[in-house]
Amino acid sequence: KAGVTQTPRYLIKTRGQQVTLSCSPISGHRSVSWYQQTPGQGLQFLFEYFSETQRNKGNFPGRFSGRQFSNSRSEMNVSTLELGDSALYLCASSIGTVNQPQHFGDGTRLSIL
Amino acid sequence: DQQVKQNSPSLSVQEGRISILNCDYTNSMFDYFLWYKKYPAEGPTFLISISSIKDKNEDGRFTVFLNKSAKHLSLHIVPSQPGDSAVYFCAASYGKLTFGQGTILTVHP
Repeated sequence: KAGVTQTPRYLIKTRGQQVTLSCSPISGHRSVSWYQQTPGQGLQFLFEYFSETQRNKGNFPGRFSGRQFSNSRSEMNVSTLELGDSALYLCASSIGTVNQPQHFGDGTRLSIL
Repeated sequence: DQQVKQNSPSLSVQEGRISILNCDYTNSMFDYFLWYKKYPAEGPTFLISISSIKDKNEDGRFTVFLNKSAKHLSLHIVPSQPGDSAVYFCAASYGKLTFGQGTILTVHP
């Protein structure tokens, strides 16, 4: 069974640009969540999508947005990039019902120059 | 406001012995708890979970204990193996997952 796939694995951008990251969940999973991992802040929740609707949201500015398509694939967009946005962005999928574990992809490493 | 805390940044254990990783939480609304293992350059791998209605869950060498009154969670690995060396994250859920900062486990041969 294929796992969660994130593309690209690595990305280099400059300040002020925007970026789109992609996530393909495990087949049959309807929930996709996004996380940011940095050395100082650890793993922080960005948002969750379920059946194309945002179901939960973390405490990130509006520059961070996402969407989910009818096939459950999800994209995350960050606009007006800042140096502090350099991080590992992780996507996780789950069936979407209560008390079900999330399964993670290997992440996209975003570096801002 | 760190709602999930792993107070030990690192733990070193001899192969074959027990590894005990600890986690404390503050939000009594959390109703589902998980442990993940993470190797460098990979995403976290789900290990084991426990619902708030239980106090113990076992899966092979891994056992998770939940003490709701103390708001404390622990993961026991018995016996520990060198391949268990990784960063371990506890996470708590109430709609969304909140992670601890992680504990680096090193198992020496």
